[in-house]
Amino acid sequence: AQSVTQLDSHVSVSEGTPVLLRCNYSSSYSPSLFWYVQHPNKGLQLLLKYTSAATLVKGINGFEAEFKKSETSFHLTKPSAHMSDAAEYFCVVSDPGSGYSTLTFGKGTMLLVSP
Amino acid sequence: DTGVSQDPRHKITKRGQNVTFRCDPISEHNRLYWYRQTLGQGPEFLTYFQNEAQLEKSRLLSDRFSAERPKGSFSTLEIQRTEQGDSAMYLCASEASYEQFFGPGTRLTVL
Repeated sequence: AQSVTQLDSHVSVSEGTPVLLRCNYSSSYSPSLFWYVQHPNKGLQLLLKYTSAATLVKGINGFEAEFKKSETSFHLTKPSAHMSDAAEYFCVVSDPGSGYSTLTFGKGTMLLVSP
Repeated sequence: DTGVSQDPRHKITKRGQNVTFRCDPISEHNRLYWYRQTLGQGPEFLTYFQNEAQLEKSRLLSDRFSAERPKGSFSTLEIQRTEQGDSAMYLCASEASYEQFFGPGTRLTVL
């Protein structure tokens, strides 16, 4: 069985400061890992994905994440927060070994950005 | 715009009524997924289609829930005899190359 733990339900930063959203995963297989963002009244948008290639993954809007197998972590970072980054972020694990990819979501981290 | 559309965007119903939601995936995406998202939680998998075949159902999908994808294109999710616990956001996603593209969701409120 696969699972995801997002260590913070809320993270508050000031505009222009770094962002760190933490995620730990559990998986029986070599997982695929994703970060999705959900803005109010909008659909989930893929930020980035890890699929066993480079461990440092770059995504859209300046976000990146590093896969660390020894720590079973996949933390999301951004060097400088922007007001438009305020949203809910989901860490997601998938085990495509079955031939399809049911996604298991974490509970989400709400990112608050203050001026 | 992800290209996946869902209708309606909002549905308010009384307990005991039946409701049906529609999802139109990105064309040529063979795989389609339904998820449910309750307040303060991440989305949870409900069911999965490969073309018109429903290949996987979560234990969350009780007997009151039924999903179809009759021609391998759009899909419907029906909830019979709705309960207040069914209030949630119902999300649809279509997939290509193990990447899922989500629609905006249908928010169901059961009074």
